[in-house]
Amino acid sequence: KNEVEQSPQNLTAQEGEFITINCSYSVGISALHWLQQHPGGGIVSLFMLSSGKKKHGRLIATINIQEKHSSLHITASHPRDSAVYICAVRVDKLIFGTGTRLQVFP
Amino acid sequence: DAGITQSPRYKITETGRQVTLMCHQTWSHSYMFWYRQDLGHGLRLIYYSAAADITDKGEVPDGYVVSRSKTENFPLTLESATRSQTSVYFCASSESIGRGYTFGSGTRLTVV
Repeated sequence: KNEVEQSPQNLTAQEGEFITINCSYSVGISALHWLQQHPGGGIVSLFMLSSGKKKHGRLIATINIQEKHSSLHITASHPRDSAVYICAVRVDKLIFGTGTRLQVFP
Repeated sequence: DAGITQSPRYKITETGRQVTLMCHQTWSHSYMFWYRQDLGHGLRLIYYSAAADITDKGEVPDGYVVSRSKTENFPLTLESATRSQTSVYFCASSESIGRGYTFGSGTRLTVV
């Protein structure tokens, strides 16, 4: 069993929809990262959080340490949000999930 | 320009050849990392470095060698490339373990 599980693996949405991507982990962590990988391949760090909630523009990340669960929400989704979203947890080093591929259609 | 740059972006090499992937960062970040990304796997750590002249193995180090003589450079060498090392390689840096990571654009390596 992977230490970091993301769901869903693939997600298709219409522009404007509210998107939720989930990340569950099985180890004790010091922080959790959400990353975005665009079709061109580059990886961008979106959030690093160890408790509560963070917001940046239309993106919101939450974490529940007791339940070992985090969610990434995208409000008013747009085709430019199409990417792979990767959850990673920090133990001594980062452990990555396999990603959620999001496609947003106009 | 400030940032983290990888070179080359694309490389095709033959089985058995030595190949070096370059990574350069301009922030003087202490930590640097090499990951490989393969279908069906999350990013997997090959090697990392906490400072110049300090390197340590990650999850999948076999067949790879790293060095870090200068803080800003962290080259990854495949001593004798094998087809199983066909992958996309990402370099990353971080000011410290507790801070965010910045990733390079990746190197797509094909071993034929």
